[in-house]
Amino acid sequence: AQSVSQHNHHVILSEAASLELGCNYSYGGTVNLFWYVQYPGQHLQLLLKYFSGDPLVKGIKGFEAEFIKSKFSFNLRKPSVQWSDTAEYFCAVISSNTGKLIFGQGTTLQVKP
Amino acid sequence: DTGVSQNPRHKITKRGQNVTFRCDPISEHNRLYWYRQTLGQGPEFLTYFQNEAQLEKSRLLSDRFSAERPKGSFSTLEIQRTEQGDSAMYLCASSLAPEAFFGQGTRLTVV
Repeated sequence: AQSVSQHNHHVILSEAASLELGCNYSYGGTVNLFWYVQYPGQHLQLLLKYFSGDPLVKGIKGFEAEFIKSKFSFNLRKPSVQWSDTAEYFCAVISSNTGKLIFGQGTTLQVKP
Repeated sequence: DTGVSQNPRHKITKRGQNVTFRCDPISEHNRLYWYRQTLGQGPEFLTYFQNEAQLEKSRLLSDRFSAERPKGSFSTLEIQRTEQGDSAMYLCASSLAPEAFFGQGTRLTVV
């Protein structure tokens, strides 16, 4: 069965600190991977996506993620966070065979100014 | 504006009543997903459609929940005999390519 696990439930950082949020998935077939962000009071928005090719993908607002197939991981990174990055972050995986999109439980990021 | 429209935005209902939510996807998107989200949790998969065909329904979903997508366009999610535990944000998403676009959600409160 498909599943997604996010290691950090709540992260608190100061501005300019580096960020890494862990995500591992469980699925034996071909997958596409995503990170979504949900700012307070707003809908879920796509941050970045991996389909194929270069395992290091860059998204909006300076975020990037690295797909490591051998570790079934897709960790999100940002070298220097800003107060405006305060939000909930969700890792998601979609099976290329079934089209079913599954989310992790999310990580709440709080950036202190 | 993501293009996915959900109505109503808020619904307060008494326990035992039936409720129906509507989702209008982005035009020509063939996949449509329904999720439930509670505070501090990720979107929980409920069901999804490829055009008008319902491909999978979560085993966590009781028989009180049903979804339709007639003609492969808009979709409705109905909850019969609502319970307090049904209180949550109900999210709809649509996609053509693998990435999905979400609506603003419908917040259900069962009193």
